[in-house]
Amino acid sequence: AQSVAQPEDQVNVAEGNPLTVKCTYSVSGNPYLFWYVQYPNRGLQFLLKYITGDNLVKGSYGFEAEFNKSQTSFHLKKPSALVSDSALYFCAVREPGGYNKLIFGAGTRLAVHP
Amino acid sequence: EPEVTQTPSHQVTQMGQEVILRCVPISNHLYFYWYRQILGQKVEFLVSFYNNEISEKSEIFDDQFSVERPDGSNFTLKIRSTKLEDSAMYFCASSIGLAGRGDEQFFGPGTRLTVL
Repeated sequence: AQSVAQPEDQVNVAEGNPLTVKCTYSVSGNPYLFWYVQYPNRGLQFLLKYITGDNLVKGSYGFEAEFNKSQTSFHLKKPSALVSDSALYFCAVREPGGYNKLIFGAGTRLAVHP
Repeated sequence: EPEVTQTPSHQVTQMGQEVILRCVPISNHLYFYWYRQILGQKVEFLVSFYNNEISEKSEIFDDQFSVERPDGSNFTLKIRSTKLEDSAMYFCASSIGLAGRGDEQFFGPGTRLTVL
């Protein structure tokens, strides 16, 4: 069965420092992987996705993520965090070739301190 | 920029009552979804809808739930007889094309359903 793990409930980073939000997955076959961000009282906003090709994918707001098949990971990164990046981040996975059901991780709250 | 909209933003109902949650997906999208998020828990898939029929549903989506696209723009989720455990944030989403393309889903702001 498909699953996604986000091992950290919260990540604290100082503004200007690099950030990493971790995600590991379990799915049969080659996965489709997504990152979404949720700001307070807002819906989920798409950040980036990995479908195939280059393992490093770039997305919105300066975020990027690296697909690592051997470690079954898809960590979200940003070279220099902003206070405005503080939000709830969700990793999601979908099996290719099937329907579009997304399986979400539990979410990681990112807190960027001035 | 086109976006998914949902109404109402907050719905309060009594246990046993029927509720209808409304969504307007992005206009050229072909796939529609409902997800829910119980407070403090994961976002969970409920159902996907394509070509006027359900393409996939989860175990949560039992006979109390139904979906409909009554016209060319709205997509609704009906809960026939609400239970306390239906209290959650319900998200509508849409995507443009076929599953195999890995198209991202665009989410609405959610409807918070409170069952008393």
